[in-house]
Amino acid sequence: QSVLTQPPSVSAAPGQKVTISCSGSSSNIGNNDVSWYQQLPGTAPTLLIYENNKRPSGIPDRFSGSKSGTSATLGITGLQTGDEADYYCGTWDSSLSAWVFGGGTKLTVL
Amino acid sequence: QVQLVESGGGVVQPGRSLRLSCEASGFTFNSYGMHWVRQAPGKGLEWVAIIWYDGSNKYYADSVKGRFTISRDNSKNTLYLQMNSLRAEDTAVYYCARGLIREIDYWGQGTLVTVSS
Repeated sequence: QSVLTQPPSVSAAPGQKVTISCSGSSSNIGNNDVSWYQQLPGTAPTLLIYENNKRPSGIPDRFSGSKSGTSATLGITGLQTGDEADYYCGTWDSSLSAWVFGGGTKLTVL
Repeated sequence: QVQLVESGGGVVQPGRSLRLSCEASGFTFNSYGMHWVRQAPGKGLEWVAIIWYDGSNKYYADSVKGRFTISRDNSKNTLYLQMNSLRAEDTAVYYCARGLIREIDYWGQGTLVTVSS
């Protein structure tokens, strides 16, 4: 059981938009920055979004992040088949003194 | 560019020990916190441990507390994970990753640890 809650899977057609939610509590998302990670099949995770809504260099603006209260959302527009991957949210939990991840969301581009 | 290269994985019997290493390059190692994160086969990411840039603070997941020890040698740009009393449920790909509290920004390619008799 993950501290952060994500939907197990989402799907959409190429060119469409999808959002992935990440729900937590005041000890984690509510008081700390959220990051999002993309893990393509058979590879290590890579940073997609940091500090809730910032994109590292090289990440296209099709990817966006937002945070409100104890929840965060990853948005992906103009879906491509290459976006098929597992997506994880993560943040620091001040009560646990631990980094926590969501359970991961598998994105399928139909 | 930032590079993190893990080593030391392999097959080990339950109850035995193993030490993982992560050699860092492309950045000022002693200015960054570091993490170990693992991923069991077919499962999600599980955070294992964190160490501050100077080694002054260390925190662990409850699942490994008392059995695993994170450490670093800044003179060698290397992060370590000493794993004792290994269990079958510790079987996973272990990633070292750069970061502290605000984000984890770079990940290594991982090293597979299999605990089996």
